[in-house]
Amino acid sequence: DADVTQTPRNRITKTGKRIMLECSQTKGHDRMYWYRQDPGLGLRLIYYSFDVKDINKGEISDGYSVSRQAQAKFSLSLESAIPNQTALYFCATSDWVDRGHEQFFGPGTRLTVL
Amino acid sequence: GQNIDQPTEMTATEGAIVQINCTYQTSGFNGLFWYQQHAGEAPTFLSYNVLDGLEEKGRFSSFLSRSKGYSYLLLKELQMKDSASYLCAVRSGPYGGATNKLIFGTGTLLAVQP
Repeated sequence: DADVTQTPRNRITKTGKRIMLECSQTKGHDRMYWYRQDPGLGLRLIYYSFDVKDINKGEISDGYSVSRQAQAKFSLSLESAIPNQTALYFCATSDWVDRGHEQFFGPGTRLTVL
Repeated sequence: GQNIDQPTEMTATEGAIVQINCTYQTSGFNGLFWYQQHAGEAPTFLSYNVLDGLEEKGRFSSFLSRSKGYSYLLLKELQMKDSASYLCAVRSGPYGGATNKLIFGTGTLLAVQP
């Protein structure tokens, strides 16, 4: 089984709809992250959480919100989706005690907003 | 400001060696990562450098010069499956600090030809 899972894997929605993307991990990591990836722009950080009670904005948090329901779960919400939020979204986790603190990525959610 | 530069595309021949460069300007430096990403898939960790010098791992090596703000990823004995995007990412912030935010470059798309 995958260590970091994301649901749904693909979603098509309409402008103005509320969307929730979910991320779960079995790695036991404290730290979780949400990124979006757009062609030519690379991966950009939306929100991150270092533990259940900690939520921090990344570089592009406007239009998004998150919830850290448990150590293993981190959800990303789009309250009112707009077309320029069409992108590939990745959840990632890391454990601060590892040497490289590498981040482990989920398989991604491809979101299309019409 | 924060800036990471890497070439957009590169082409190489199966069996050859290719070097992918990355230059960075960030506020603080706490390690540099290389990730591999196949089209439509999650990034996967390749290497980590925090001190100057070369880190070798099988066919892949990564080099860092902190004084020059420069790194490269060296891929030897290229195989067709190495066709992918290669992402350079810098962890900014003070050395030894608790933050683990990564700033990603836009990636280098490597095409390996027969």
